[in-house]
Amino acid sequence: DPKIIQKPKYLVAVTGSEKILICEQYLGHNAMYWYRQSAKKPLEFMFSYSYQKLMDNQTASSRFQPQSSKKNHLDLQITALKPDDSATYFCASSQGQGRNNQAPLFGEGTRLSVL
Amino acid sequence: GDSVTQTEGQVALSEEDFLTIHCNYSASGYPTLFWYVQYPGEGPQLLFRASRDKEKGSSRGFEATYDKGTTSFHLRKASVQESDSAVYYCALRTMQQGTGSKLSFGKGAKLTVSP
Repeated sequence: DPKIIQKPKYLVAVTGSEKILICEQYLGHNAMYWYRQSAKKPLEFMFSYSYQKLMDNQTASSRFQPQSSKKNHLDLQITALKPDDSATYFCASSQGQGRNNQAPLFGEGTRLSVL
Repeated sequence: GDSVTQTEGQVALSEEDFLTIHCNYSASGYPTLFWYVQYPGEGPQLLFRASRDKEKGSSRGFEATYDKGTTSFHLRKASVQESDSAVYYCALRTMQQGTGSKLSFGKGAKLTVSP
C-alpha cells in the first residue's frame, strides 16, 4: 500500500484557473516537501515543511502556496495557472533532524497539464 | 549554489554489461549524497545514500563510493539486467541553518538494457 498518497494522479486545467494538489503521508514523518519535474528541468525542489512550519521556499512565484492543515498533510495550491506550470508534482516526506534526517521518500506524483 | 552534474543523459547496454553512471558534485558544505531510481509513471525511489568520505553505499547490486577528493559519487553495477532499465538520479543534500534540508538533483541518466 502506498504510504504517501497524492491526489489526483492526473489533472487537466485551463489557463488562469486554480487547482489544489493533495498529499497525505502515513509514515509518521515530521518533514514534508514538494518537488516538480518537467521536460525542461529535472527534479526541482520547491518547498520544505517541518512540523507544519515552512522551512524553505525555492519557488519564485507566489502563485504556489503550500497548505498544511494537519501534521501529515501538505497540499499545494496553484493559482492563475499557466501552460509553463505543466509538470509532474511530487510530494515527499522524511523523518529526523539535521544530518540524521532520513532520505526523503516520494509519492507517485500528480501530472498536471495546463491548456 | 550546490549542484550535481551527471554527464550521461542516455545509456544503452546489453544484459550482463558493466554499468557506470558518473556523478560529480559542487557544494559549500559537507553534503550527503544519494542515488535515486525512477521507473515510468512512478516517483523516485531511494537506492542508497552516503554521508562521509570513502563511505560506500550499495543496494540491489548497485554501488557508489563517496569521494571527497574528486567530488564524485559514481554509480556502478557489474552486470545489468533488463529490469534495471530506468532513470537514475544523483542528488545531494546540505543542511542549512534554519531552512531545513533540500535535495539538489542531477539531470538524470536514462538506462536502457536490451536482452
